[in-house]
Amino acid sequence: DADVTQTPRNRITKTGKRIMLECSQTKGHDRMYWYRQDPGLGLRLIYYSFDVKDINKGEISDGYSVSRQAQAKFSLSLESAIPNQTALYFCATSDRDGTSGLFQETQYFGPGTRLLVL
Amino acid sequence: AQSVTQLDSHVSVSEGTPVLLRCNYSSSYSPSLFWYVQHPNKGLQLLLKYTSAATLVKGINGFEAEFKKSETSFHLTKPSAHMSDAAEYFCVVSDRGLTGGGNKLTFGTGTQLKVEL
Repeated sequence: DADVTQTPRNRITKTGKRIMLECSQTKGHDRMYWYRQDPGLGLRLIYYSFDVKDINKGEISDGYSVSRQAQAKFSLSLESAIPNQTALYFCATSDRDGTSGLFQETQYFGPGTRLLVL
Repeated sequence: AQSVTQLDSHVSVSEGTPVLLRCNYSSSYSPSLFWYVQHPNKGLQLLLKYTSAATLVKGINGFEAEFKKSETSFHLTKPSAHMSDAAEYFCVVSDRGLTGGGNKLTFGTGTQLKVEL
């Protein structure tokens, strides 16, 4: 079974609709992230959470919100979807490793959710 | 601020020939560097990472990368390409920058590798 799962894998919605993307992990990691991928732009960070009570904005958080329901679950919501939110969305996790040096955490990615907003 | 430049958006090689995917970075600190691979309809898989222990890093599936500080490069290589290597590859720099002490990952724009018979 995959360590990081995302549901749904594909979603088509209409402008103005509210939509939630869900991420679950069995890796036991404290840190979780949401990214979006657009062609030719790489991945960009939307939100991240270092524990259940911690939520932080990334570089492109406008139009999105998140909820960290448990250590293993991190959801991304689009309150009112718009066409330029059409993208591939990835959830990722990492472990706060006290033995590794700065910047060395590895992030592990889910399979992605492909979202189309009409 | 950190940045990553992948010098080729597309690379095409013949099966059995060497692979070279180029990456240059900039960072205010001594960063960690990663290469991830994304196969069609799959998530990103870690190929290898550099964390200052050794400049030549070996990864999975025969890939390796060499960290060259003087050239600010972290090119990915493989001696002999296989059809299964066809995918998109991302160079990533990890640096300080997230509230709470976490790592900020900056992704390159990706290199699409095509492997032909």
